[in-house]
Amino acid sequence: KQEVTQIPAALSVPEGENLVLNCSFTDSAIYNLQWFRQDPGKGLTSLLLIQSSQREQTSGRLNASLDKSSGRSTLYIAASQPGDSATYLCAAPNLISSGSARQLTFGSGTQLTVLP
Amino acid sequence: NAGVTQTPKFQVLKTGQSMTLQCAQDMNHNSMYWYRQDPGMGLRLIYYSASEGTTDKGEVPNGYNVSRLNKREFSLRLESAAPSQTSVYFCASSELNRVQYFGPGTRLTVL
Repeated sequence: KQEVTQIPAALSVPEGENLVLNCSFTDSAIYNLQWFRQDPGKGLTSLLLIQSSQREQTSGRLNASLDKSSGRSTLYIAASQPGDSATYLCAAPNLISSGSARQLTFGSGTQLTVLP
Repeated sequence: NAGVTQTPKFQVLKTGQSMTLQCAQDMNHNSMYWYRQDPGMGLRLIYYSASEGTTDKGEVPNGYNVSRLNKREFSLRLESAAPSQTSVYFCASSELNRVQYFGPGTRLTVL
């Protein structure tokens, strides 16, 4: 069974800092990994999906990397802004018996606060 | 596009009452999912539907039933609500191996 761990659970940084959020997973036979953002009281918004054939995926100030061999992914946020304050979750898939759909296992998230 | 919509947004039930949470997506996705989110437990999959006409259990299916009404709609039913089912419920949809898109959630309290 896939297990996903995110460290740290909470992070507070001053505006403008570059930061890295970490995600580790136990089953390296994944075909992709997703990073999501969740604002308080809201649903999840997909940020990046990185395929197993890729090592990195970028969107604006966000860069996600994937190292299947070590079971790790990182989300790099450049020049952080107060509007980046949210909980960031990573999710890795489980292969299920039917093979026709994929369950995602989510980490517990990193709660990021960017101070003005 | 509305994306994934969920109704209701909030609900309070008494123990033993029943209710159905509704979910609809307008992205023509084949797969749909129901999750619950609890403090300290993260997001856990309750049921999913790989395609119209199929449903399967996820990690925490006990106490729930689902119906994939058509390609757009996937409902979650609590037949006899219990306080342990107090949670935030999210519906999501996707194509196989692609990004999952989430609805805004239903906040359910069972007294």
